Amino acid sequence: QLQLQESGPGLVKPSETLSLTCTVSGGSISSSSYYWGWIRQPPGKGLEWIGSIYYSGSTYYNPSLKSRVTISVDTSKNQFSLKLSSVTAADTAVYYCADPARDYWGQGTLVTVSS
Amino acid sequence: EIVLTQSPATLSLSPGERATLSCRASQSVSSYLAWYQQKPGQAPRLLIYDASNRATGIPARFSGSGSGTDFTLTISSLEPEDFAVYYCQQRSNWPQYTFGQGTKLEIK
Repeated sequence: QLQLQESGPGLVKPSETLSLTCTVSGGSISSSSYYWGWIRQPPGKGLEWIGSIYYSGSTYYNPSLKSRVTISVDTSKNQFSLKLSSVTAADTAVYYCADPARDYWGQGTLVTVSS
Repeated sequence: EIVLTQSPATLSLSPGERATLSCRASQSVSSYLAWYQQKPGQAPRLLIYDASNRATGIPARFSGSGSGTDFTLTISSLEPEDFAVYYCQQRSNWPQYTFGQGTKLEIK
């Protein structure tokens, strides 16, 4: 059974870069033809797709966030990562890593943007 | 960008009643639509994919229908554990996807 786990700072200062990593266990990140994704959910609000990555490194980003987002993959560590630059309070959210096609999700991690 | 509009925003029903949730897309997504259920403090759970296919382990009381721009999630007889927030998700240009704003199903 595949398991995903997000890790990274829970507090980020405005204008800085948010960095999160998703560690995949129970299977290889490069053994399937599925896309790994980041999704976020501001407190009390709905789900927003941030971006997706294939194990080869091909990426797709939400147009509304594209200028600030970088998603990368490290197959040797079975991880993929999210960087979101120039954050503001509007970026405060629970961030999920996921393989939505197969319905594998991390538990989510709350990142608060505050000075 | 494909925009999904869910209605109603909140649905108040009693256990045993039938629930009908709607999702409308701003342009055709064919049958590439999924439904998720989310409970407080939990990640979303996939219920339906490709408009009408139940995901593994999902009870038969959940059903999906529709194609093109109009979709429906039906829960035939509500159980206490079904009260949650439901999201539709379009997958027509996978791996780029969007979610609807959600419908909160609450106990009346």
